[in-house]
Amino acid sequence: ETVLTQSPGTLSLSPGERATLSCRASQSVSGNSLAWYQQKPGQAPRLLIYAASSRATGIPDRFSGSGSGADFTLTISRLEPEDFAVYFCQQYGRSLFFGGGTKVEIK
Amino acid sequence: EVQLVESGGGLVKPGGSLRLSCAASGLTFTEAGMNWVRQTPGKGLEWVGRVKSKRAGGSTDYAAPAKGRFSISRDDSQNTLYLQMNSLKIEDTGVYYCTTGVPEGGYWGQGTLVTVSS
Repeated sequence: ETVLTQSPGTLSLSPGERATLSCRASQSVSGNSLAWYQQKPGQAPRLLIYAASSRATGIPDRFSGSGSGADFTLTISRLEPEDFAVYFCQQYGRSLFFGGGTKVEIK
Repeated sequence: EVQLVESGGGLVKPGGSLRLSCAASGLTFTEAGMNWVRQTPGKGLEWVGRVKSKRAGGSTDYAAPAKGRFSISRDDSQNTLYLQMNSLKIEDTGVYYCTTGVPEGGYWGQGTLVTVSS
């Protein structure tokens, strides 16, 4: 079983600032099968990034994913008001594993 | 537009049963691998299990807490996914989501709340 640890738990930033979120796996993620999602209260999670660095359809280019092996990063280059939300990482494949989430809040 | 709409949640006593449904539209359901994921107060997001498409064999896999108690099935003629939950425990309380696999677009429904309490 893979444990995904996200940090920080909460990120307090202002609109226009850069956000850097981390997801660390307890073992190497096979095939870089790592996805990032955005979740807002009362809404379904939305896929942002898959295969560690590929943007999903319709996702703005201010969202980028990087990393390989066991260390992955989601970067939001310039925060827009609609980007304040919870973000979680997911390893997919034979089973699914999830990180605990990072809340990006307005400072 | 892809839509996944879960239903069937509610309040049930420990040891009871519940069947959740997920109605899918806007995607080729017959070709989609489908998952159930839950979000519980104790463990956060947790995979429950999956069913592959018929073309991929239609087999099911379950996470350890669901094995022997939960059963996932699909009705491709109705574009509907099911989760039959038996012998429910208090720790099964949470919001249950149906999701497609990431290769199918990583779509999620808004979830249905299951509360297990005496």
